[in-house]
Amino acid sequence: DAGVIQSPRHEVTEMGQEVTLRCKPISGHNSLFWYRQTMMRGLELLIYFNNNVPIDDSGMPEDRFSAKMPNASFSTLKIQPSEPRDSAVYFCASSLAGSGANVLTFGAGSRLTVL
Amino acid sequence: AQKVTQAQTEISVVEKEDVTLDCVYETRDTTYYLFWYKQPPSGELVFLIRRNSFDEQNEISGRYSWNFQKSTSSFNFTITASQVVDSAVYFCALSALWAGSYQLTFGKGTKLSVIP
Repeated sequence: DAGVIQSPRHEVTEMGQEVTLRCKPISGHNSLFWYRQTMMRGLELLIYFNNNVPIDDSGMPEDRFSAKMPNASFSTLKIQPSEPRDSAVYFCASSLAGSGANVLTFGAGSRLTVL
Repeated sequence: AQKVTQAQTEISVVEKEDVTLDCVYETRDTTYYLFWYKQPPSGELVFLIRRNSFDEQNEISGRYSWNFQKSTSSFNFTITASQVVDSAVYFCALSALWAGSYQLTFGKGTKLSVIP
């Protein structure tokens, strides 16, 4: 398996632009997570899905952020409009659902810079 | 609420020295899971180990060992005879029930630099 695949790896955009980050989880994994990593706040869970259904989006910073999972093999995280404080590395991770013991497998991350 | 504290922000050691990374956690659950992940300079997060709350047996894997002590709510990680390739940020994480589902909470990480 190719692992969790994220795109783009790097994105530089200007404030006010829409940003879409993409994730393909590991086949057979039915939980998907979006994390954000910054120096100040570390790794924060933004949202996670079980069987394509959003379970907890309490970590989503504000209405400018939205996430979708239209099918088991694809998810997007969208920021509209983007702001400089959104600059961070965004990680997608997947796992088998149903247990706290499940190991998350992370993608390589998408580094977002908003100017 | 659940919380993971990694008090050491940065550690530098000389190659071949032993180093211990500290992790203290908080949870009200009796069933929980503890993890360590490694983030090398390339940026990806790599799973190292998982322990459940009912298994306090220490574990050794090569130069890596983990000491889980429920009495002090700690899950410390020791690297023996450190190598330059061990340079990375190491994250401790806790998976426990929160609002009806398990959530993985990470510590802020400890940046380890191994100097040749």
